[in-house]
Amino acid sequence: EVQLVESGGGLVQPGGSLTLSCAASGISFTTAWLTWVRQAPGKGLEWLGRIKSDGTTDYAAPVKGRFTISRDDSRNTVFLQMNSLKIEDTAIYSCITGFCIGATCHWDDAFDKWGQGTMVTVSS
Amino acid sequence: QSALTQPPSASGSLGQSVTISCTGTRSDVGAYNYVAWYQHLPGKVPKLMIYEVSKRPSGVPDRFSGSKSGYTASLTVSGLQAEDEADYFCSSYAGSRYAGSKIVLFGGGTRLTVL
Repeated sequence: EVQLVESGGGLVQPGGSLTLSCAASGISFTTAWLTWVRQAPGKGLEWLGRIKSDGTTDYAAPVKGRFTISRDDSRNTVFLQMNSLKIEDTAIYSCITGFCIGATCHWDDAFDKWGQGTMVTVSS
Repeated sequence: QSALTQPPSASGSLGQSVTISCTGTRSDVGAYNYVAWYQHLPGKVPKLMIYEVSKRPSGVPDRFSGSKSGYTASLTVSGLQAEDEADYFCSSYAGSRYAGSKIVLFGGGTRLTVL
């Protein structure tokens, strides 16, 4: 069974830091690209960034320079390190990934695997 | 970059068809044939319904179809059934001045009501 399980959320003060984890099982983790998204209360989904299988990363403008995505293939885990947190970073954070059909992979244009998410609240 | 634009709600009667739109720009929906659609039921994780504009993953009924014209992608649900009542949102690749590669934009979601 495929599972993506996020952890590490909680309450943090503005300006603080938090690191989220996403543990994967049931997928070929070393070849997978993992993406982090978030959904603020009452808002739509927001793409935050991705990490490819070779470790290269891309970030959305609102979090570039503050958030860092990394991966530990030995633990089948991807991380989201968040620094300089702002009140507007309050959201449910989820990791997601795609799939391959034969030799064609849709790692980050079509997401068929979603974690349940972990809540991050930034408040004083 | 702004999210893709979807109508907040849509409705249709049992057995009828309904189409949900997802409007972007020349930099996202208009530039790439990588539009996906998701069904989101309360308390569940989103389910991929359509990818690459019009392809259905295994197990998705052929009542669900996708298309694109210009900057607008569409999801059509034919032969509406009660279990189709859910939130639907779209996504698309987008070019970015900030990221080294393409980024992904999501739509705000459309609540589909089956009358």
